[in-house]
Amino acid sequence: DQQVKQNSPSLSVQEGRISILNCDYTNSMFDYFLWYKKYPAEGPTFLISISSIKDKNEDGRFTVFLNKSAKHLSLHIVPSQPGDSAVYFCAATTPLGAGNNRKLIWGLGTSLAVNP
Amino acid sequence: GAGVSQTPSNKVTEKGKYVELRCDPISGHTALYWYRQSLGQGPEFLIYFQGTGAADDSGLPNDRFFAVRPEGSVSTLKIQRTERGDSAVYLCASSLTGTSGGIQYFGAGTRLSVL
Repeated sequence: DQQVKQNSPSLSVQEGRISILNCDYTNSMFDYFLWYKKYPAEGPTFLISISSIKDKNEDGRFTVFLNKSAKHLSLHIVPSQPGDSAVYFCAATTPLGAGNNRKLIWGLGTSLAVNP
Repeated sequence: GAGVSQTPSNKVTEKGKYVELRCDPISGHTALYWYRQSLGQGPEFLIYFQGTGAADDSGLPNDRFFAVRPEGSVSTLKIQRTERGDSAVYLCASSLTGTSGGIQYFGAGTRLSVL
């Protein structure tokens, strides 16, 4: 059962436009939500996160919005650049569990292509 | 280097063999994680170390998988009697502490192919 869902496997946008990547989750106990970016043959790279007590976090061109009532978050990239082309993973953390581990639960990823 | 280093980058082995995958985390990071990523999937948690001890090994799929971190830095993931279903990219990540809000730093992974 997928607790973090990214229903769009791919997205294509024009350079300069807005990219919106969506993520839904089922577990209301998740306390942080994160976006990671992955290029081929590299490990995921942390991009931006949001605490479950916030509804928006912004960092330069990247903004994450959290709607707790809908169990939905989205990543906005404005303006999109060709270098943003990558796979974007949505992830969520469980509250501290075994061994004080805040476990990351991942979605399947969305492949973003930004066309020049 | 400054990042998480994993070796080898690729490993091809035969069914039934034993393999070891190595992870060198960022210096000073006490928390270390192993994940497995199959094609078209997100990373799947395997095990978490806080210092030298395996604080959470709930993600290890069976007793063929084992990991150690004897001195609290480098970690080795060991897979016995490999099966074709073990083929995946094995990712290692580290973080300053295990309680940070999910921010982990990943290596490039080891692509394991079991023939």
